[in-house]
Amino acid sequence: ETGVTQSPTHLIKTRGQQVTLRCSSQSGHNTVSWYQQALGQGPQFIFQYYREEENGRGNFPPRFSGLQFPNYSSELNVNALELDDSALYLCASSFQLGVGNEQFFGPGTRLTVL
Amino acid sequence: GDSVTQMEGPVTLSEEAFLTINCTYTATGYPSLFWYVQYPGEGLQLLLKATKADDKGSNKGFEATYRKETTSFHLEKGSVQVSDSAVYFCALSDWTGNQFYFGTGTSLTVIP
Repeated sequence: ETGVTQSPTHLIKTRGQQVTLRCSSQSGHNTVSWYQQALGQGPQFIFQYYREEENGRGNFPPRFSGLQFPNYSSELNVNALELDDSALYLCASSFQLGVGNEQFFGPGTRLTVL
Repeated sequence: GDSVTQMEGPVTLSEEAFLTINCTYTATGYPSLFWYVQYPGEGLQLLLKATKADDKGSNKGFEATYRKETTSFHLEKGSVQVSDSAVYFCALSDWTGNQFYFGTGTSLTVIP
């Protein structure tokens, strides 16, 4: 059983650019969430997708957007990058939507904005 | 809004010492509570969870009890090992299951 994978591993962008991060869910999982983790901090919830629809969103501006595809893989897009967007971006999948379900995390994409 | 507050680290313990990492939460309704762990060089993984008041989650000798009266979910282990050295995160999912909140993490180092 393949776990959650993310690409790329590392990425360097400049302020104002746009970036797309990718995530493949664990086999059989139909729900995916994205998190931003700044250095020394806990993950901050960006949004969750269930069956290709956004199902919940944290306190992030609209320039953070996402997609989920029919095979349940997902993308996180960030427009107009700012220096504060530098962080580790984590993708997590779960078997189904619901309260109390375990999330399985990927290794993350380290984004640096210069 | 909902939030999680956990004990600041880092924490350094000798092997076989007793561990407590405090976690308190603020939430509307009945959240689910989790402890996730991140071992060096690895991704976040679930350690234990509790989905309703008075439930006790347990795994690998770790325990935490969902206390609604004190809004707490403290992590405990009776005898830590060097292999328990990791960063521990307390987390909450709200009553809808579509909002998630993590604490800032507590780094634990266990020395032989």
